[in-house]
Amino acid sequence: DTAVSQTPKYLVTQMGNDKSIKCEQNLGHDTMYWYKQDSKKFLKIMFSYNNKELIINETVPNRFSPKSPDKAHLNLHINSLELGDSAVYFCASSQEWTGGTYNEQFFGPGTRLTVL
Amino acid sequence: DQQVKQNSPSLSVQEGRISILNCDYTNSMFDYFLWYKKYPAEGPTFLISISSIKDKNEDGRFTVFLNKSAKHLSLHIVPSQPGDSAVYFCAAGVTGGGNKLTFGTGTQLKVEL
Repeated sequence: DTAVSQTPKYLVTQMGNDKSIKCEQNLGHDTMYWYKQDSKKFLKIMFSYNNKELIINETVPNRFSPKSPDKAHLNLHINSLELGDSAVYFCASSQEWTGGTYNEQFFGPGTRLTVL
Repeated sequence: DQQVKQNSPSLSVQEGRISILNCDYTNSMFDYFLWYKKYPAEGPTFLISISSIKDKNEDGRFTVFLNKSAKHLSLHIVPSQPGDSAVYFCAAGVTGGGNKLTFGTGTQLKVEL
């Protein structure tokens, strides 16, 4: 059983289109994250949600909108795609952060987005 | 501003020898550090961590050393095995920071027979 799954694995699309990437976790975690790994291999957090509530929102264009229908899902919707959005997007989940040092994050396999 | 740096993009080591992967950080607020391992077409997986109150943490073949004064940590793998060939990411966080991790750009380790 895949703990954190993402669909699609690959996504090729034209500039200006709107696309979504789906993420699901079956670990019973309360917190989910989206990361972007760019061409320079930087793995940078974009958002995190805890029990469907946004708790981390880094400096990300508002064309990117996370949506959490329930605590097992965190989807990423991107409007008006640009060339610079081409990257690998990773979803992750962890136990709810309750003020301790950290909770291990479990990552999905990634979605490679190519914008032409 | 790159707060976590892995200056060696790649490292090649012979099987059975020691692999040493290095990581530097600039943010003195970081108080916990993690290493993640990543195989191609997979997401990163947690390997080992260390809190800033320690200077060493060991788990089997993997040992992480932390030098707070130098803002430097390293991951030692002894003995190295071909299955260790992967990209290793260093990450750091701040207690109270909502479990937010700041990652380095990774080091590709190749363990040769």
